[in-house]
Amino acid sequence: QQQVKQSPQSLIVQKGGISIINCAYENTAFDYFPWYQQFPGKGPALLIAIRPDVSEKKEGRFTISFNKSAKQFSLHIMDSQPGDSATYFCAPFSYSGGGADGLTFGKGTHLIIQP
Amino acid sequence: NAGVMQNPRHLVRRRGQEARLRCSPMKGHSHVYWYRQLPEEGLKFMVYLQKENIIDESGMPKERFSAEFPKEGPSILRIQQVVRGDSAAYFCASSTLAGTETQYFGPGTRLLVL
Repeated sequence: QQQVKQSPQSLIVQKGGISIINCAYENTAFDYFPWYQQFPGKGPALLIAIRPDVSEKKEGRFTISFNKSAKQFSLHIMDSQPGDSATYFCAPFSYSGGGADGLTFGKGTHLIIQP
Repeated sequence: NAGVMQNPRHLVRRRGQEARLRCSPMKGHSHVYWYRQLPEEGLKFMVYLQKENIIDESGMPKERFSAEFPKEGPSILRIQQVVRGDSAAYFCASSTLAGTETQYFGPGTRLLVL
């Protein structure tokens, strides 16, 4: 049973365009919703995260939109740049489980920004 | 301020050998998570440890895999009698507090089993 479904699997966006990646989850115990960015040969790094008490969070060119009723959250990258080319993972987390089971990663989205 | 360190970065083993992966958490962090990443897949949780204690190993295969985080020294993920299906990238992450969402990842160890 796949708890986290991420889409699309891959995405090509022109420089300056908007990149949108979606994540749907099933576990209603999740209460922290981060996006991680991973470059080839590197470990994932936290990019931006949101808690369920707000519907949107913006940090620079990156925005998370959260829809609790639909159990979905998305990452928007504005004015996409070639340096944003990476793999992006959603990885929701549940505090109620004491964090013992770690982050639950989606399968990832390969984002390519064409110059 | 060094981040999470993992070594070796690349490890090649023949079927039946043992693989030992090491993880040194960030300074001041006493909680370590291990994750496995198969090609074209997301990271899968394996085990969560605090110093000298295994808190949750529900994601770790029951046989051949073990993990420890001693009072002194790095955390070790040990895979005995490796098989080709063990080929993957293994990442560790560390955090300061128990059950915290803020985990800092190392660069990973790429294990290749021939």
